[in-house]
Amino acid sequence: GAVVSQHPSWVICKSGTSVKIECRSLDFQATTMFWYRQFPKQSLMLMATSNEGSKATYEQGVEKDKFLINHASLTLSTLTVTSAHPEDSSFYICSASGTVIVQPQHFGDGTRLSIL
Amino acid sequence: KQEVTQIPAALSVPEGENLVLNCSFTDSAIYNLQWFRQDPGKGLTSLLLIQSSQREQTSGRLNASLDKSSGRSTLYIAASQPGDSATYLCAVTFTGTASKLTFGTGTRLQVTL
Repeated sequence: GAVVSQHPSWVICKSGTSVKIECRSLDFQATTMFWYRQFPKQSLMLMATSNEGSKATYEQGVEKDKFLINHASLTLSTLTVTSAHPEDSSFYICSASGTVIVQPQHFGDGTRLSIL
Repeated sequence: KQEVTQIPAALSVPEGENLVLNCSFTDSAIYNLQWFRQDPGKGLTSLLLIQSSQREQTSGRLNASLDKSSGRSTLYIAASQPGDSATYLCAVTFTGTASKLTFGTGTRLQVTL
């Protein structure tokens, strides 16, 4: 149980395009979803927290107009990287939890984003 | 500032050895601590979760301990196997941060034949 599916697993696109990443909780209702970014050989850095039906809360230094997060249902959150540039290339991982004060978070398999 | 640190950054051991990974955190006011495994290019697999009121948790060959007062946790892996090769991440939920996880920098483990 507690499976989180993330799609796509790998995407390569040209600079200037927008890329949407989906995160779905398959067998539970995710009240809260988290989006992380991971650079090579570094740890995960939280980008934003989203609660279903509310605006996402972004961590300091994360551009909310650059990284659009939508959490419109209890099973789906999306992260859109707008006008992506090579410096946005990274590994993006989502996680989901069933309540606001929730543990453990259940993680997706990540999306490798490469911007040419 | 609430931070999580892991040492060593990388570790190579021969198969069959017992080993210990270390995690330290700067604030003892924690909700819980979690150990994860990450294979290259993959997401995270939760290994063990220790609540702030607990001292240790065990799962198979894995044992995690927690000492809140000293701000430390260890992950003990018994009889290591090549399949244990991965990056191990420690993550802390500090009190008052809702369910936000603060991750350590990870330890890359290689178990050789």
